[in-house]
Amino acid sequence: AQSVTQLGSHVSVSEGALVLLRCNYSSSVPPYLFWYVQYPNQGLQLLLKYTSAATLVKGINGFEAEFKKSETSFHLTKPSAHMSDAAEYFCAVSEQGGSYIPTFGRGTSLIVHP
Amino acid sequence: DVKVTQSSRYLVKRTGEKVFLECVQDMDHENMFWYRQDPGLGLRLIYFSYDVKMKEKGDIPEGYSVSREKKERFSLILESASTNQTSMYLCASSLRQNTEAFFGQGTRLTVV
Repeated sequence: AQSVTQLGSHVSVSEGALVLLRCNYSSSVPPYLFWYVQYPNQGLQLLLKYTSAATLVKGINGFEAEFKKSETSFHLTKPSAHMSDAAEYFCAVSEQGGSYIPTFGRGTSLIVHP
Repeated sequence: DVKVTQSSRYLVKRTGEKVFLECVQDMDHENMFWYRQDPGLGLRLIYFSYDVKMKEKGDIPEGYSVSREKKERFSLILESASTNQTSMYLCASSLRQNTEAFFGQGTRLTVV
């Protein structure tokens, strides 16, 4: 069975500071991993995905994430936060060769202060 | 540009009404999903479909049913709406297992 844990329901940073959103997964087989962003009153859109190629994945809007098998983690980072990054972020996992249904974490709300 | 369209952004319905939420995708995707989103609970899967006329229950199917008569359309039905079904409903589709899901804009349903 697969599961996702996002540490911290809210993360607050100052504009220009490093953004770090944490995601740990549980999967019995090699996973596919995704980060999505949701702006207020909108659906989710893909930021980036890991599908067993390079362990460091670059996404849109300057975000990137690193797959660490030994730590079962897929943390999302951005070197310098912008006000426009304020949104809800979701980590998701699906299993290779298993169910094709993505399982989502509970989400982390990113707050960016001027 | 890929697109998943949900028929309504906002709905207000009365307790006991039968409610239909419609979702259409234009990407020829096999898989379609219905999630509900509540604060602090993330996205919870209600139903999914991997082919026309095929459906499977997700984590919270009670009080809901679905219909997929055509590949591009996946409907969520609340047989008798209740106030605890007030929520944001998100439809999504995907092509294959290892590809991302594409989401609609969501329908915010209020049951009074």
